Amino acid sequence: GAGVSQSPRYKVAKRGQDVALRCDPISGHVSLFWYQQALGQGPEFLTYFQNEAQLDKSGLPSDRFFAERPEGSVSTLKIQRTQQEDSAVYLCASSLEDRGLKAGYTFGSGTRLTVV
Amino acid sequence: AQSVSQHNHHVILSEAASLELGCNYSYGGTVNLFWYVQYPGQHLQLLLKYFSGDPLVKGIKGFEAEFIKSKFSFNLRKPSVQWSDTAEYFCAVNAYPIIFGSGTRLSIRP
Repeated sequence: GAGVSQSPRYKVAKRGQDVALRCDPISGHVSLFWYQQALGQGPEFLTYFQNEAQLDKSGLPSDRFFAERPEGSVSTLKIQRTQQEDSAVYLCASSLEDRGLKAGYTFGSGTRLTVV
Repeated sequence: AQSVSQHNHHVILSEAASLELGCNYSYGGTVNLFWYVQYPGQHLQLLLKYFSGDPLVKGIKGFEAEFIKSKFSFNLRKPSVQWSDTAEYFCAVNAYPIIFGSGTRLSIRP
């Protein structure tokens, strides 16, 4: 597609529920990133994929967070046993360039997760 | 470790006023610098970027930024703002991965 597509746009989850957030990057982009943006803050890095390989998951806040990109295209961020502190906007970004150092990233519109 | 500081959390200007948003970064090596903008209800968009060459970088919609290496700064400027510039502005550093500042909310009075 022309841009990075994320779904759902909004998700309300009860505390303890598992959620799955989808990201469809720009076709051909090798790099895919997930970020978490809390209210009033800048986006914070969660994890990075180069094609299907998850090369960096240093930003994942706990082992309840899991991401995959099995065929090097669509990615899913899964949060198990959601907690209220997980409420945030989850942003996906992709880049044609490895690690997007100079090209920068193209961001999706994000999924706003609210845990009640 | 790299970090980015944006000292102005909320800036309010009248239309046609000049704009300067501050950004300071902390990183010892070569960095690539970006400004992203997020209009209300929209996704983050790249405004401009710097990775080498002329330290004065021009971006979209009349924005520009100046990289001053000695000051570790990359301030964003626009000579005359419009109401449509109302948005959140994020400075970012990429020495992998991209690290964002906390953002500056810009409100323009018509």
